[in-house]
Amino acid sequence: DTGVSQDPRHKITKRGQNVTFRCDPISEHNRLYWYRQTLGQGPEFLTYFQNEAQLEKSRLLSDRFSAERPKGSFSTLEIQRTEQGDSAMYLCASSPPTGFYGYTFGSGTRLTVV
Amino acid sequence: AQSVAQPEDQVNVAEGNPLTVKCTYSVSGNPYLFWYVQYPNRGLQFLLKYITGDNLVKGSYGFEAEFNKSQTSFHLKKPSALVSDSALYFCAVYGNNRLAFGKGNQVVVIP
Repeated sequence: DTGVSQDPRHKITKRGQNVTFRCDPISEHNRLYWYRQTLGQGPEFLTYFQNEAQLEKSRLLSDRFSAERPKGSFSTLEIQRTEQGDSAMYLCASSPPTGFYGYTFGSGTRLTVV
Repeated sequence: AQSVAQPEDQVNVAEGNPLTVKCTYSVSGNPYLFWYVQYPNRGLQFLLKYITGDNLVKGSYGFEAEFNKSQTSFHLKKPSALVSDSALYFCAVYGNNRLAFGKGNQVVVIP
């Protein structure tokens, strides 16, 4: 499978717990993006990596959120002390290093905080 | 900052009829515009893009989009809708190293 993989597909957690999501981009793509999508809304930008460098973070990414991309390959998004408002679909996308052909999205991780 | 507007929440169309989903954009510089489709509990699938060139762009699954610079619009069209086209459609514009998405349009194709 040469697409973008996200794991897990679904996560249910209790409020206050920490969760971590993983994204494996297309291997030759050096750019990786995280978006959050809530019901009835379009995806909202969270953060962007070029190789292992995190180049930009949205104001949506509070101190409880952290993202990493060690070695410029897979990425993780961690949410600490989850709140009910964190319930959403978390989407990962990647794009190639040259030109611009749009993003390839993964299937997303749906987080439910109870 | 770049943005797109998708004015309609839902578009209903009878199977076999033409389908249009509207999008207007705002961006500094040349617009790079995209349409994506999303099925329930899935990620976004690329349909088509406008970077430069012809104003009529053809994409996947028989979809096309018309770029209109004077009206800052990029409407998605399909000549004959199928029931399987029922999904959520997002318009997006690229700027500042990221895609900015509209809120989406739910398309319902009625058999």
